[in-house]
Amino acid sequence: AQSVAQPEDQVNVAEGNPLTVKCTYSVSGNPYLFWYVQYPNRGLQFLLKYITGDNLVKGSYGFEAEFNKSQTSFHLKKPSALVSDSALYFCAVRDMGGQNFVFGPGTRLSVLP
Amino acid sequence: GAVVSQHPSRVICKSGTSVKIECRSLDFQATTMFWYRQFPKQSLMLMATSNEGSKATYEQGVEKDKFLINHASLTLSTLTVTSAHPEDSSFYICSASRGAGNTIYFGEGSWLTVV
Repeated sequence: AQSVAQPEDQVNVAEGNPLTVKCTYSVSGNPYLFWYVQYPNRGLQFLLKYITGDNLVKGSYGFEAEFNKSQTSFHLKKPSALVSDSALYFCAVRDMGGQNFVFGPGTRLSVLP
Repeated sequence: GAVVSQHPSRVICKSGTSVKIECRSLDFQATTMFWYRQFPKQSLMLMATSNEGSKATYEQGVEKDKFLINHASLTLSTLTVTSAHPEDSSFYICSASRGAGNTIYFGEGSWLTVV
């Protein structure tokens, strides 16, 4: 069965500093990995995905994520955080050929001015 | 990019009544749509998966007679909460996918308040 872990409920970072939101996964076979962001009272917005190819994936709003197969991780990163990046971030996995996504519990990112 | 529209964004209904939430894929045909429920400050809980032209697949613990899902076309799925109770009050989110392996895109969510 697929599963996703986001070990940190909350991440605080100062504006301008680099940020990392962690995600590890478990899936049989090759994974499709995704990051979504949710702003208050809104639906989820797609940030980026890894299907195949380069392990470093670049996405929206300056975010990127690195797929590490040996560590089964897909951490979300940004070189310089903005206050407007404060939101709830969800990592998700989908097994190849599968229909369903499994979401992690979410990590709340607070960027402090 | 792909757009999924969800309507209404907010609805208040009386206990015992039914309310329908629509989910539309605006610029692609969605073979599969998903319905989620989200409690405050929690992750998404998958309620059911609907495939166009067939019955929805409900997750364990979700009452199929209470949460009716209809995916009548490749661009529209509806969730009807029947005989609503205050404990059904929640944020409901739909998402749509072109097919296996593809990104899913989310609607903006619908706040349901049952009074």
